[in-house]
Amino acid sequence: GAVVSQHPSWVICKSGTSVKIECRSLDFQATTMFWYRQFPKQSLMLMATSNEGSKATYEQGVEKDKFLINHASLTLSTLTVTSAHPEDSSFYICSAEAPGTGGYEQYFGPGTRLTVT
Amino acid sequence: RKEVEQDPGPFNVPEGATVAFNCTYSNSASQSFFWYRQDCRKEPKLLMSVYSSGNEDGRFKAQLNRASQYISLLIRDSKLSDSATYLCVVRRSSASKIIFGSGTRLSIRP
Repeated sequence: GAVVSQHPSWVICKSGTSVKIECRSLDFQATTMFWYRQFPKQSLMLMATSNEGSKATYEQGVEKDKFLINHASLTLSTLTVTSAHPEDSSFYICSAEAPGTGGYEQYFGPGTRLTVT
Repeated sequence: RKEVEQDPGPFNVPEGATVAFNCTYSNSASQSFFWYRQDCRKEPKLLMSVYSSGNEDGRFKAQLNRASQYISLLIRDSKLSDSATYLCVVRRSSASKIIFGSGTRLSIRP
């Protein structure tokens, strides 16, 4: 299947700083990528849809000025958590779509575990 | 009501048992269906797509019932390595976002 990478895999930062997470599709081009957040023992929550060359579409309740998304190329989307606070500590996962036997299938990056102290 | 609902479990079954999960979806316009598995502190991984005619992949069998709007996953001869959370995923169309169920936790005991 398609491969999606994320960097970094984990990060610890101080409250008030900003953190950038990269999501790359390694062997295919992705016009659309998705960013999710997952708290312990909860399911994935879609934060935003990242569209190459245009503005991201944010889900209700997600602050676009706090979670900045840039999809500058067909293989790279970035999520920047600005002015991070301890409540932003979570597992952030990106995904990208690739054609598969079941239509377009989503492939996930390995996730980034963010801890804000 | 959630758009995609799953029994959260946990299901705790002995190795070698057969276990089945169901998932219901509320939007009759949904077109694509998938099962993902997620291991603890890892990303979800696609297990299988679910076709209208049903499909099998080794010990795993998925079925779709459009009339009743549910999807099922059957695991035969379960292995210890099958322990994970199984996520039901539904999509309305190729252009729409996917909706995750909250997942069913499965634990296989020796």
